[in-house]
Amino acid sequence: QKEVEQNSGPLSVPEGAIASLNCTYSDRGSQSFFWYRQYSGKSPELIMFIYSNGDKEDGRFTAQLNKASQYVSLLIRDSQPSDSATYLCAVNRDNAGNMLTFGGGTRLMVKP
Amino acid sequence: KAGVTQTPRYLIKTRGQQVTLSCSPISGHRSVSWYQQTPGQGLQFLFEYFSETQRNKGNFPGRFSGRQFSNSRSEMNVSTLELGDSALYLCASSHRDGGELFFGEGSRLTVL
Repeated sequence: QKEVEQNSGPLSVPEGAIASLNCTYSDRGSQSFFWYRQYSGKSPELIMFIYSNGDKEDGRFTAQLNKASQYVSLLIRDSQPSDSATYLCAVNRDNAGNMLTFGGGTRLMVKP
Repeated sequence: KAGVTQTPRYLIKTRGQQVTLSCSPISGHRSVSWYQQTPGQGLQFLFEYFSETQRNKGNFPGRFSGRQFSNSRSEMNVSTLELGDSALYLCASSHRDGGELFFGEGSRLTVL
């Protein structure tokens, strides 16, 4: 079992819809959770992070964390074709500096 | 503020050779991490340096090594290259612990 699991996709949604990306993790010592976006041929960029159970909203993005279920999700509202990218879930243990464990990523395609 | 700069961007080596990759972090960032990205294994953590000290190390063989200089610039070295070392090597810097990383564009290594 991989430490961080994501459905590889592609996840295809129509423009304007809500895209829901999911991630599960196995290490109960994980304390910080991140969503990075990677466009084809580019490097990852951080779009959201969440540390506490519940929801965290930033513009069209909402990150959701449920530590009991070891589950993290990212919702993208009003999806745009420019959101088409691979979304990488990453986790960090406490006192682990900046050592992240990444999932394999979910490819999102937003169709006009 | 300039971003993370990695050199060289592309390089081709043959099996058995060694390679050195360079990374200049964002000004003021003292943490530098290195990741390997391949289609099969995704993003995998190599090591992290903070104030010239290796703080964390991933599960890679000893052929992979790195260092950090007093100006926070970092280098990684791979000796005795193998075909499987072909990958995108990403450097990321951060101003704090916890996983909020800023990635460079990467160095794409091809081993023939």
